Amino acid sequence: EDQVTQSPEALRLQEGESSSLNCSYTVSGLRGLFWYRQDPGKGPEFLFTLYSAGEEKEKERLKATLTKKESFLHITAPKPEDSATYLCAVQVSGGSEKLVFGKGTKLTVNP
Amino acid sequence: AAGVIQSPRHLIKEKRETATLKCYPIPRHDTVYWYQQGPGQDPQFLISFYEKMQSDKGSIPDRFSAQQFSDYHSELNMSSLELGDSALYFCASSLRDNSYEQYFGPGTRLTVT
Repeated sequence: EDQVTQSPEALRLQEGESSSLNCSYTVSGLRGLFWYRQDPGKGPEFLFTLYSAGEEKEKERLKATLTKKESFLHITAPKPEDSATYLCAVQVSGGSEKLVFGKGTKLTVNP
Repeated sequence: AAGVIQSPRHLIKEKRETATLKCYPIPRHDTVYWYQQGPGQDPQFLISFYEKMQSDKGSIPDRFSAQQFSDYHSELNMSSLELGDSALYFCASSLRDNSYEQYFGPGTRLTVT
């Protein structure tokens, strides 16, 4: 069964304290791995798509990387406005385009 | 840039009533997905449509049905509502190219009392 596990469940950082979120996955075949940001009561906001091991993408203070078993979302010098739940999702190759989500990491950045 | 539009944003219904949720995808997107997110849960895939045809089906109850219309908007119809149907319902859209990127709408919060 396709599975996505995110860790930690919650993370508290001080402003400027860099860290990483982990997303490990077990799938029959990976078409793509997606990172989203979700604020309370709002829709997931697309951040990145990664397709193959070794791929990296950056956007402002965020950098996403991918290996054959996991992905990391690195947050450099975070600000309070980076506080949100970060969701990782996979799309399995072979037909279905549905996203299978992890439970998310709730990030809180204190000023 | 235009985003996915969902209506209504909030909906309160009683048990056994029906509800219709609407989704307007990003212009030129040809695929629509519906997800359900319960309190404190991750989004769960319900159903998807590509070019007005159902393309995939997930854990959608038989009480729910959906369709995509000629203008590509989609509607999720929910009947015999139960308390457990209370959740956020998201619509996402994508263009079936090589990116497979799905863009989500703001959601409809359904409360069943």
